Amino acid sequence: NAGVTQTPKFQVLKTGQSMTLQCAQDMNHEYMSWYRQDPGMGLRLIHYSVGAGITDQGEVPNGYNVSRSTTEDFPLRLLSAAPSQTSVYFCASTRPGGLTEAFFGQGTRLTVV
Amino acid sequence: GESVGLHLPTLSVQEGDNSIINCAYSNSASDYFIWYKQESGKGPQFIIDIRSNMDKRQGQRVTVLLNKTVKHLSLQIAATQPGDSAVYFCAESQEGGYGGSQGNLIFGKGTKLSVKP
Repeated sequence: NAGVTQTPKFQVLKTGQSMTLQCAQDMNHEYMSWYRQDPGMGLRLIHYSVGAGITDQGEVPNGYNVSRSTTEDFPLRLLSAAPSQTSVYFCASTRPGGLTEAFFGQGTRLTVV
Repeated sequence: GESVGLHLPTLSVQEGDNSIINCAYSNSASDYFIWYKQESGKGPQFIIDIRSNMDKRQGQRVTVLLNKTVKHLSLQIAATQPGDSAVYFCAESQEGGYGGSQGNLIFGKGTKLSVKP
């Protein structure tokens, strides 16, 4: 199993550009989440999904869209990048049923100039 | 330990000593409390969790203590090793429809553990 795979690892965007951060997991986990991590901060929840076709907002959803068409994939879209979205983005998946162990990807470091 | 701004609280310990990392949480409705370890350049890694109806849970070299009266969580690491150097985050979660965690986590700001050889 590859676990949780995020692409790209690094990205530089200009203000106003759009892009999609990819996240895929091969563990057949139903729950998937996106977090952002700013310097010296903990992770903040952007959006999450409890299964294919179901998504919901987290703490900081503004400026981001998600969709969940398959169990494996949970892409995060930035429609019009802003410098405030410069951050490291982590995708995670979790198996439900009494388990709190989230498996995180390696992260995508995004810089918006 | 909670941080303000860009500076994480840092705990520096000697190799072989025990470490205690603290966390204050705010949501009394949380059902699970979890500790994660994050090494530089990597995603967080699960260490141990505890349900809200427990006050202590032990793992391999780690113990988590929960004091709901004062909303305090701690992680104790026995015989700290250089490989334990990382940032440690506490996180909270609520119960989902399956009876377990719903899968989304609310993280604290983290404590940096530095182990001196």
